[in-house]
Amino acid sequence: EIVMTQSPATLSVSPGERATLSCRATQSVSSNLAWYQQKPGQAPRLLFYGASTRATGIPARFSGSGSGTEFTLTISSLQSEDFAVYYCQQYNDWPLTFGGGTKVEIK
Amino acid sequence: EVQLLESGGGLVQPGGSLRLSCAASGFAFSSYAMSWVRQAPGKGLEWVSLIFSGGSTYYADSVKGRFTISRDDSKNTVSLQMYSLRAEDTAVYYCAKDFGGVGVKFDYWGQGTLVTVSS
Repeated sequence: EIVMTQSPATLSVSPGERATLSCRATQSVSSNLAWYQQKPGQAPRLLFYGASTRATGIPARFSGSGSGTEFTLTISSLQSEDFAVYYCQQYNDWPLTFGGGTKVEIK
Repeated sequence: EVQLLESGGGLVQPGGSLRLSCAASGFAFSSYAMSWVRQAPGKGLEWVSLIFSGGSTYYADSVKGRFTISRDDSKNTVSLQMYSLRAEDTAVYYCAKDFGGVGVKFDYWGQGTLVTVSS
């Protein structure tokens, strides 16, 4: 099983600042990686697939990068609506696996 | 508009059974893989099971042999039959639609149904 590790577990950021979230896989997943955003009491929302392709309606302040085992989600200027938990998910191999999540909170 | 509506959650005793259903609308259901993903209280996401449009199924090791996923393309529904439930199966269970293309990632999710396994 491919284990996905996200860091940090919690990121405290002020509105308007940049946030950088990391996701690491125990073996290469190529570019078969997705990112999701989840707000309290809501279902997850797809942000990126293919490591760097934005899903429909995702603002340009969000960017995804990486391949192989190292991936990054960057939010260039945090807005109030961006404070949430972010998960990565690999779909290169079975079973599908998610990272443990990074909570982005207001500093 | 794509909609996924889960039902069937509730309180069940350890060792018991429960059947979850997900009613889908707003897309060509028969053409897409469908999945169940769960989230234990205060925890992260855990993929549970998936069924492809052709009927092939996949399961997480944690539920293999206890859970069965199925779909009815005539009714646009996907179901998860859960047997031998354990306390660690307690979670919100989400129905999720595959985005399509290469690999499986989820572009639409239901609001979830809570399963509580407790005596």
